[in-house]
Amino acid sequence: EVHLLESGGGLVQPGGSLRLSCAASGFTFSFSSYAMSWVRQAPGQGLEWVSIISGSDVTKHYAASVEGRFIISRDNSKNMLYLQMSSLRAEDTAVYYCAKFSSDYSSGWFNSWGQGTQVTVSS
Amino acid sequence: DIQMTQSPSSVSASVGDRVTITCRASQDIGSWLAWYQQKPGKAPKLLIYAASTLQRGVPSRFSGSESGTDFTLTISSLQPEDFATYYCLQTNSFPYTFGQGTKLETK
Repeated sequence: EVHLLESGGGLVQPGGSLRLSCAASGFTFSFSSYAMSWVRQAPGQGLEWVSIISGSDVTKHYAASVEGRFIISRDNSKNMLYLQMSSLRAEDTAVYYCAKFSSDYSSGWFNSWGQGTQVTVSS
Repeated sequence: DIQMTQSPSSVSASVGDRVTITCRASQDIGSWLAWYQQKPGKAPKLLIYAASTLQRGVPSRFSGSESGTDFTLTISSLQPEDFATYYCLQTNSFPYTFGQGTKLETK
């Protein structure tokens, strides 16, 4: 059974930085066989896709709202996914979910999710 | 960007009712559409992918269909555990986009 465990959330001041981590386990095939993504949900709001990284770590895409401020990365030797967030704004306040994609890159679905980590940007 | 217009935003129904939720894509997305269920304080759960394929382990009362750029999630006979919020997601092109969500409430 796939298990995704996010960590690294917390309270940060506007303009600050934070690094989220997601530990993955239980994959049928190797961790590197699957693209991984971050999806967030602001308080009382809907889901917003943030970023995706291919299984091979070659290709990355970002939502316009975070482009240039967030960096997605992964360490396939450790089955870890990361999200480096900088220049944080109040509107980045959300629960951040780590999600497993069903394929290496495009043409797929998010078929497993972590329980989320709360990020609060406030002075 | 592809816009996903989901309707209704909320619906009140009773156990045993048939419920339909719709997502309309602003352009052709093929069958690259998934449906998710989310309960308060929990992560989303995949119900349907490729517009109409039931995820393993999901009850058969859930079904999905498509007609052009219109996609429908149907719950044939509501059960108590189905009261939740539902989202569609397109993965045809970046940025991936979710519908605004439909909150299914008890009447």
